[in-house]
Formats: sequence, C-alpha cells, structure tokens
Amino acid sequence: DAKTTQPNSMESNEEEPVHLPCNHSTISGTDYIHWYRQLPSQGPEYVIHGLTSNVNNRMASLAIAEDRKSSTLILHRATLRDAAVYYCILRAQRPALIFGKGTTLSVSS
Amino acid sequence: DVKVTQSSRYLVKRTGEKVFLECVQDMDHENMFWYRQDPGLGLRLIYFSYDVKMKEKGDIPEGYSVSREKKERFSLILESASTNQTSMYLCASLGAPNEKLFFGSGTQLSVL
Repeated sequence: DAKTTQPNSMESNEEEPVHLPCNHSTISGTDYIHWYRQLPSQGPEYVIHGLTSNVNNRMASLAIAEDRKSSTLILHRATLRDAAVYYCILRAQRPALIFGKGTTLSVSS
Repeated sequence: DVKVTQSSRYLVKRTGEKVFLECVQDMDHENMFWYRQDPGLGLRLIYFSYDVKMKEKGDIPEGYSVSREKKERFSLILESASTNQTSMYLCASLGAPNEKLFFGSGTQLSVL
C-alpha cells in the first residue's frame, strides 16, 4: 500500500483557517485520498475523500495537487471542537484502510 | 443514522483467558474490520472480513482470530489473552469500496 506523510502536530487559533498537508508521492492512479479524524475518546470519523478534483463538503475542503503527490485538508474556520487527530489515507483496490499516525491538531481560543 | 456497536466499552480480563470482542453493524455492509490503537502507534489493522465466513489478515494478526458467521456481526477472539494485548480495540464497517468507513466507539481492554 502506498504511504502517506503528515506532520506530527499543528496548532491553530479559533476562527482561523487550517491547512493540513499530506504527502503521498507513491500514489497510484486508482488510489483515492481519504481523510478521517478522531476526536478524544471516540472512534475515527469520515471527513472527506477525493480522486483528482478538489472536493468540498460541510466539514471541510480537500485540495489535491495536479500531480496527485500531495493533498491538503482545509478547515475554513477552526473551532475548539475541531481539535483532533487527522488521518490522511490512500484507498486502493483492497477495501481495508491503513491508518498512519496522523496529525494532532490543537485549537486555541 | 448508521450504527456500529461494540458490545463493551471497558473490559478487564486476566492473562490466559479467552476473550471475545463483539461488533454489530446495522447497515448491511459487506466489509468489516478490527483495529487496535495504542499511544504513539496509531491505528493498526488486525483482521478484516469482506463477506460472511471470509477473512483476511491485516498487519498484526498474531495472537488474534476472527469469526464472521452472519453479515452483521464480526467477532475478534483472543485465544489466550496476554498483557501486551491491553489496548483500545476499534471495529469498523464499510459498504461499497469507495464509501466511508464507520467506526464503533471502541473497547478498552485491560489484560492483567
């Protein structure tokens, strides 16, 4: 399975946008890019996913580089409830998702 | 809303005991997964199942087995629990290959 690289941690202030980067230089043409987040004491929850084009939903936006070797999860206005571990994962043909260690996002008021 | 239910939130067992962790989903999903999560190591895949009675090993299957007799239920079995299996166990399910994964709330297992 292709691997992803994320920073261990990031900090943000409330109400500010947050850009969470992910590198996946060995991505293959059919791999989807998925993002999940895990709030304290909970199981991970789906955030967003995409293949080639940028994607938006009510939680976040996903910006995918033209060469697909990197992507960025964008939280438009961080809130304290967005403090979580964010995982960037590549989904291949195999149904299982392999999680890395993710990025721990801290949000300050 | 969709639901993945794990039978216990906290469990304490003794070394050598046989332990069953149960997971039930109500979404008629084909695929189900067991992960464990440890501080500093993230989520690691133990086993997954893509159909009834079908299973495949994940990255860390040693010391575990699984059972999928019905589509909605996926059980993780620790044949002889050991202290290094103390961990948070997370069950998940998935419908079509590019749908989203749904997780249960987790079972914190302590093996003494």
